[in-house]
Amino acid sequence: DTEVTQTPKHLVMGMTNKKSLKCEQHMGHRAMYWYKQKAKKPPELMFVYSYEKLSINESVPSRFSPECPNSSLLNLHLHALQPEDSALYLCASSRSGGKGETQYFGPGTRLLVL
Amino acid sequence: AQTVTQSQPEMSVQEAETVTLSCTYDTSESDYYLFWYKQPPSRQMILVIRQEAYKQQNATENRFSVNFQKAAKSFSLKISDSQLGDAAMYFCAYRRRKTSYDKVIFGPGTSLSVIP
Repeated sequence: DTEVTQTPKHLVMGMTNKKSLKCEQHMGHRAMYWYKQKAKKPPELMFVYSYEKLSINESVPSRFSPECPNSSLLNLHLHALQPEDSALYLCASSRSGGKGETQYFGPGTRLLVL
Repeated sequence: AQTVTQSQPEMSVQEAETVTLSCTYDTSESDYYLFWYKQPPSRQMILVIRQEAYKQQNATENRFSVNFQKAAKSFSLKISDSQLGDAAMYFCAYRRRKTSYDKVIFGPGTSLSVIP
């Protein structure tokens, strides 16, 4: 099973709302990633978790708050977002994060901030 | 800093024909990985093919093959016998060979259309 699942598929939220994105994998991978992707652009890395610890934060605004409760689950908590945060949010995982491992991507959550 | 360039924002190919997508990259490293990812419209991104820089042999996966020219820092993707399902955004990507995590550098992408 090489599947990464993400919920919800679509999310509309106001600028004062608090919401969360969820990502799950059952491949035994120990590295998990959040990316942001605008239309017709490549993914931009936001966060990397390695062995449930945050190892990379690409200077993401604090209105995005990641959480890794266990090795299979990754959350992205959203609060006080701006319209420019509207994008496709992709989760990915890989075996341990090292060398040239393949990253397996989820289908993404399409977020619209009004 | 490493960069990845894809000079063709859009390409089209007739069904059953062959198409080549270009990718060049800039790095001072000698050991690294190169990837081609495919992202169909409204569907998830998947790995098409990967190449390890220390391997001289070009990687192939069924109808997909690469032409890896290390000295020229070129990594093109050839799709043979194109099918409608090949229509997608294709991203070329680079990553240094490190035991710990290192960022994947994506190119800007090439949007491929397949004409029936």
